[in-house]
Amino acid sequence: EAGVAQSPRYKIIEKRQSVAFWCNPISGHATLYWYQQILGQGPKLLIQFQNNGVVDDSQLPKDRFSAERLKGVDSTLKIQPAKLEDSAVYLCASSSLAGKGETQYFGPGTRLLVL
Amino acid sequence: ELKVEQNPLFLSMQEGKNYTIYCNYSTTSDRLYWYRQDPGKSLESLFVLLSNGAVKQEGRLMASLDTKARLSTLHITAAVHDLSATYFCAVARKIGNQFYFGTGTSLTVIP
Repeated sequence: EAGVAQSPRYKIIEKRQSVAFWCNPISGHATLYWYQQILGQGPKLLIQFQNNGVVDDSQLPKDRFSAERLKGVDSTLKIQPAKLEDSAVYLCASSSLAGKGETQYFGPGTRLLVL
Repeated sequence: ELKVEQNPLFLSMQEGKNYTIYCNYSTTSDRLYWYRQDPGKSLESLFVLLSNGAVKQEGRLMASLDTKARLSTLHITAAVHDLSATYFCAVARKIGNQFYFGTGTSLTVIP
């Protein structure tokens, strides 16, 4: 079974530029999550999708971050404009069923450095 | 705001020794997760605990959950070098289903 795919793996941009990350979850997984992991910290949930609907985005900085999951499969996370404090690893995870003790499977992450 | 606290944050132990990592959380939850993360790698699911008193074991790791105390433990038995990694607990809020991760415990097992 193929795992969660993310691209790019690494990205370096200057502050105020825009950047987008892509995630392809495990086939058949209805729930998709985006996390931000700053160096030395635990992941912080940014947004959770159930199929193509948003379940929770309470910790997403909506003035600069946006995410979509068209057709309930792939998802993109965008930052516009980026700030220095956005430097982090952005992790995508998917699970088969939310709220029932499901296991989240994580992708390799995208490492973002904002200069 | 929900808080998930782990201790210790850093743990250095010798091979063959036993130790316990603690995870305290501040909200009502019916799901507690443990993950492992190797340096530069993504997270790997270890355990999902769904009820008070739940205990799960895999190899040298055993996790337990006390929902009344809002406490989970990850016990390491006879540690080996391959267990060196960062371990995270994560809690799903009972109402709203938001996930919150702990700060992580960086474990180093010394041969």
